[in-house]
Amino acid sequence: EVQLVESGGGLVQPGGSLRLSCAASGFTFSSYWIAWVRQAPGKGLEWVANMNQDGSERYYVDSVRGRFTISRDNAKKSLYLQMNSLRADDTALYYCARGRGAHRYWGQGTLVTVSS
Amino acid sequence: DIQMTQSPSSLSASVGDRVTITCQASHDISNYLNWYQQKPGKAPKLLIYDASNLETGVPSRFSGSGSGTDFNFTISSLQPEDFAAYHCQQYHSVPPTFGPGTKMDF
Repeated sequence: EVQLVESGGGLVQPGGSLRLSCAASGFTFSSYWIAWVRQAPGKGLEWVANMNQDGSERYYVDSVRGRFTISRDNAKKSLYLQMNSLRADDTALYYCARGRGAHRYWGQGTLVTVSS
Repeated sequence: DIQMTQSPSSLSASVGDRVTITCQASHDISNYLNWYQQKPGKAPKLLIYDASNLETGVPSRFSGSGSGTDFNFTISSLQPEDFAAYHCQQYHSVPPTFGPGTKMDF
């Protein structure tokens, strides 16, 4: 069974940092693009970043470029999102999702709250 | 970035109704368009990919059509479990972008 399990969310002050993790199981992690998608409370979905199989391609939405870094460790079957200089509008449920185009598998999300 | 619009933003319907949601892209995205269903407190679920392909295991009452800039998503006969939010997503260009969503209720 394909599983994606996010962790690392929490309450952080504006300007702070947080590192999210996504642990994958049930499939060959190193064969797939993986993405981070977020959803602010009561709002729609926003794609944040993605990465190809070997990490040589990474893409970001403009609002996080330069502040967030996506990375992966294929040996550990894990995806990461290092988030720096956090702002109030980064408050959201962060999902990891498998795939480059259609996301067939999603985690349950980890909540990031940026507030003083 | 390609902007996606959806209409309606909300919709009240009844079991057995046929409902259609539209999604419009700001630029030609060919058929690089997916549809997701999301229930409260749950992750999105892929229903339709590449505009008109039904994801494995998804009931045939769901369908999608369109290409270029205009797309439709239809539920032929609403079932109680279909009351949820629906999102379109383009992946023709980076960044992939989602529509604002359509919330469907009774």
